[in-house]
Amino acid sequence: DAEITQSPRHKITETGRQVTLACHQTWNHNNMFWYRQDLGHGLRLIHYSYGVHDTNKGEVSDGYSVSRSNTEDLPLTLESAASSQTSVYFCASSASGTPSRNTEAFFGQGTRLTVV
Amino acid sequence: AQTVTQSQPEMSVQEAETVTLSCTYDTSESDYYLFWYKQPPSRQMILVIRQEAYKQQNATENRFSVNFQKAAKSFSLKISDSQLGDAAMYFCAYKGGSRLTFGEGTQLTVNP
Repeated sequence: DAEITQSPRHKITETGRQVTLACHQTWNHNNMFWYRQDLGHGLRLIHYSYGVHDTNKGEVSDGYSVSRSNTEDLPLTLESAASSQTSVYFCASSASGTPSRNTEAFFGQGTRLTVV
Repeated sequence: AQTVTQSQPEMSVQEAETVTLSCTYDTSESDYYLFWYKQPPSRQMILVIRQEAYKQQNATENRFSVNFQKAAKSFSLKISDSQLGDAAMYFCAYKGGSRLTFGEGTQLTVNP
């Protein structure tokens, strides 16, 4: 069965360190997204990609970067981790094309990141 | 930019009763989709129900139904015959194009 997986599930890191969260999907979806979930804010979009070599900033992109070198993977990098980036991170993917608007997004299990 | 608002941070319901979760959104688009996602303690995001804006008929999935009021930009979720397994965080989401915008979430407690 196709799936979307995130790793690691939990991570503790120190302030100032570079951290990379992995996201891998086997749906062959063109669209991939990274969200962070914080209490009282729901899920907020960090970065997204509509295909290989395409990346775009979301509403909370400061301090984060992504790259898309193939269809399956969209790693999220925290350049210099800050305590404000302690959160639960979700990766999601969806199909594109017609009728793209009707396609649901499939989510990974989430990564709980703690920056100390 | 589109915004989604869930004004009820917490709700509770007795088992077998009915509960309605509220959601409003703001958009200038005429063609879009709306979703309700459920997030149990496992953190998995599970699609509960979806509504196409161009359809006037409200979507229904078993015990879950929506009240979609396009002019009022309102999209509420009704859960009938509530079960203990319905206890979760519920997120309303708007989709115009390929991006999802989420509300703040409503934590639903089901009391036995």
